[in-house]
Amino acid sequence: AQSVTQPDIHITVSEGASLELRCNYSYGATPYLFWYVQSPGQGLQLLLKYFSGDTLVQGIKGFEAEFKRSQSSFNLRKPSVHWSDAAEYFCAVGAGNYGQNFVFGPGTRLSVLP
Amino acid sequence: GAVVSQHPSWVICKSGTSVKIECRSLDFQATTMFWYRQFPKQSLMLMATSNEGSKATYEQGVEKDKFLINHASLTLSTLTVTSAHPEDSSFYICSALRGASYNEQFFGPGTRLTVL
Repeated sequence: AQSVTQPDIHITVSEGASLELRCNYSYGATPYLFWYVQSPGQGLQLLLKYFSGDTLVQGIKGFEAEFKRSQSSFNLRKPSVHWSDAAEYFCAVGAGNYGQNFVFGPGTRLSVLP
Repeated sequence: GAVVSQHPSWVICKSGTSVKIECRSLDFQATTMFWYRQFPKQSLMLMATSNEGSKATYEQGVEKDKFLINHASLTLSTLTVTSAHPEDSSFYICSALRGASYNEQFFGPGTRLTVL
């Protein structure tokens, strides 16, 4: 079965600084990879996803992520963080022929200092 | 875009009562819907997979008699928490698949359940 780790439970950055959230997965083949953001008390919003092709994926709100097969990683990046980016970020992995086995990582809470 | 709604968004009930949560795909048909549970400051845990017209598939450790799932139409799945207790208090999130792949999975806004 696949698994997902997000090594950082909580990250604090200053507004305007760059951001990288780490995600590592364990799966025998190439999985479907996702990043979601959740604001307090809210549902999930899909930031971006990777299925195949170009390993650098562009998402909404200025986020991007890079799939690195050799490192089993799918790290999320943003060059300049805005205060509104403060939220919980979840990496997720879908495995199987249609990504039907879906697992969320534990999440990383992002705080943004003014 | 594809929209999934949940109703209610917030519910408080007394211990021992049952609560029904609805998940609707507003502008697409969803053969498959999922129910997740999220405890404070934790990740989402899949509870069950709901397939239209058939019985739900529950994840290990989830009591199917306590968490009743009905997927009677292609746009509606319901989760009923029966004989709710304070430990059932949680944030419940549903998602719906527009196709057969997680490429087309859309999440609802969640329902906050508080059991007194």
